[in-house]
Amino acid sequence: DAMVIQNPRYQVTQFGKPVTLSCSQTLNHNVMYWYQQKSSQAPKLLFHYYDKDFNNEADTPDNFQSRRPNTSFCFLDIRSPGLGDAAMYLCATSRVASADTQYFGPGTRLTVL
Amino acid sequence: QKEVEQDPGPLSVPEGAIVSLNCTYSNSAFQYFMWYRQYSRKGPELLMYTYSSGNKEDGRFTAQVDKSSKYISLFIRDSQPSDSATYLCAMRETSGSRLTFGEGTQLTVNP
Repeated sequence: DAMVIQNPRYQVTQFGKPVTLSCSQTLNHNVMYWYQQKSSQAPKLLFHYYDKDFNNEADTPDNFQSRRPNTSFCFLDIRSPGLGDAAMYLCATSRVASADTQYFGPGTRLTVL
Repeated sequence: QKEVEQDPGPLSVPEGAIVSLNCTYSNSAFQYFMWYRQYSRKGPELLMYTYSSGNKEDGRFTAQVDKSSKYISLFIRDSQPSDSATYLCAMRETSGSRLTFGEGTQLTVNP
């Protein structure tokens, strides 16, 4: 039944050690999003893909990269995690870019030691 | 100034109470308004969606939008302990998919 799946649910990495978070979807939606949510803060959009077109938010740090090899999967790569990158990372999908409903995954909680 | 302001709470109410959650916003181009519910350690799930001004009711939940005041509300009637969660308002303009979220209000309903 899971529609947006994120792995792992909890990730611990060391300062500066690259990490990859994974998202997959069974909805066949065209758009996939990555959000960063810090404790008691609003989710912050990092980037989104409309199909294979990549859209980066202006204030997303260069340390964050993303890949979407096919419709179902999307990856978030953090090249050199810092302590400030510890957060919940949420993946979401929507059918089309202007669709109202974004379906969120359960999130990956990243800890940086 | 943030585009969307939401009182973070925490808000604690007894079971059965009527809960009012609110957001204000500054961008007059926002046309679509949503409320998401987020349980602890889970992703947000869409609860209510409203286009432009007006009211929408779904069971115990009512969403209101007043565009003239740039103010939206979510009312929960007969609140239940299972309603304990963080409620996030979100909104977007007509074109594009970018959602702007409030910071969320943490609600606890006590049995």
